[in-house]
This record gives sequence, structure tokens and C-alpha cells, in this order.
Amino acid sequence: GENVEQHPSTLSVQEGDSAVIKCTYSDSASNYFPWYKQELGKRPQLIIDIRSNVGEKKDQRIAVTLNKTAKHFSLHITETQPEDSAVYFCAASSTGGGNKLTFGTGTQLKVEL
Amino acid sequence: DSGVTQTPKHLITATGQRVTLRCSPRSGDLSVYWYQQSLDQGLQFLIQYYNGEERAKGNILERFSAQQFPDLHSELNLSSLELGDSALYFCASSVRGQGAGDEQFFGPGTRLTVL
Repeated sequence: GENVEQHPSTLSVQEGDSAVIKCTYSDSASNYFPWYKQELGKRPQLIIDIRSNVGEKKDQRIAVTLNKTAKHFSLHITETQPEDSAVYFCAASSTGGGNKLTFGTGTQLKVEL
Repeated sequence: DSGVTQTPKHLITATGQRVTLRCSPRSGDLSVYWYQQSLDQGLQFLIQYYNGEERAKGNILERFSAQQFPDLHSELNLSSLELGDSALYFCASSVRGQGAGDEQFFGPGTRLTVL
């Protein structure tokens, strides 16, 4: 089955700096890659996603890049703010076998003033 | 608010007991997914239902079962509970359930504590 690895597990940046979180996946059939933000005790919230026919997608301060050949995708947050502090999860799913998400292990992002 | 509702919010029970978690998907969504989030295992997919039928299964224990009813709400039944079953249980829903990748919207979760 699919395996998603995520790095780093913790990331501390200064307010205004950029943050990058990287994920790799194992199943070449995976074609959908969402990113979720989860605050402590809350539900995961979809912040951006990318499909395999696209190499990059941007939404204001957030961007995601996908390299299908290398099977990796990354989340980029620019001009970080304290409210960006949370745990971020990458995930992958494939067309076959329903639409289940396989999640990475999460990155605790801390934006310091 | 994602539009996905889950009840109860919190559940405290004893080992060996049985509990039922309930989920109502967003209006118009046909698929329901159940995920378990524990400190040591992260977010793990349990099971998916699409329009009343089981669509995909993850590492769901035999002590756990689920179903989706004609009104599309879903229930996750956990029996013979063990201490290790303590976790946050999330339900998510999406419009379809397979294809080019449906956005999944998560409910607020049910926190289960087994004592």
C-alpha cells in the first residue's frame, strides 16, 4: 500500500520567514495530494491540494509543488505569521480503492515573534 | 465549520465496553470516511462508505465495524474496548468517493477515552 513520509517533524521559524515541509510517497498511482492544517484538539482543515496533472499551485501565501518523477511534493508558506503555528499533514490518495487518504506523520510548525 | 457533524464530542468508558460514534456528512456528500488519530499512530484511515456500500478498508480492527444508512449518516461501532483504543476519531465526507481526488472535509471528531 501507499506510504507517505514527511519531514521535518518540527519546524521553528521567525515571523515573516518562509517555511517548507516536504513529503515523499511510494505509490506511483497516487494522483491527489492535499495538505491539512490541524490546531490542537481541532479537526484537520484542508488548506491546499494538488492533482497529478499539475506541477505547482499557489493560494496567497501558500504554495504546493509536485514532482511526479521523484514522487515528492512540498508545502511552502511565505511571510509566516503566528497564526500559522499548527501541525501540518500531507496526504496522498489514488483513483483505485476508493479515495482514502494516507497521511504523513505531521510537522509541528512554530512561528516565533 | 465544515458541515460534517459528529456526536458525541467526548466519550469516556471502561475496557471491555462497546460504544457507537455517529457522523452526518455534508449535505450532498455521498462518501463517508473514518479516521483514527492517536499520538503514536498519527492519522490512520479505517474505512470508507459510498452511498451505503463499503468502498475501501484500512487497518480496521475486527472489533470495529461501521455502516452507512439510507439517509447517508454513518456509525462506527467499537467493541471489547482496550486502553489502546483511546484516540480521536474523525469522520470526513466527500461528494463522490473515487476518481480524480475528492476533497475530504473533516468533522470535529469524537475523543474516546478508555479507562
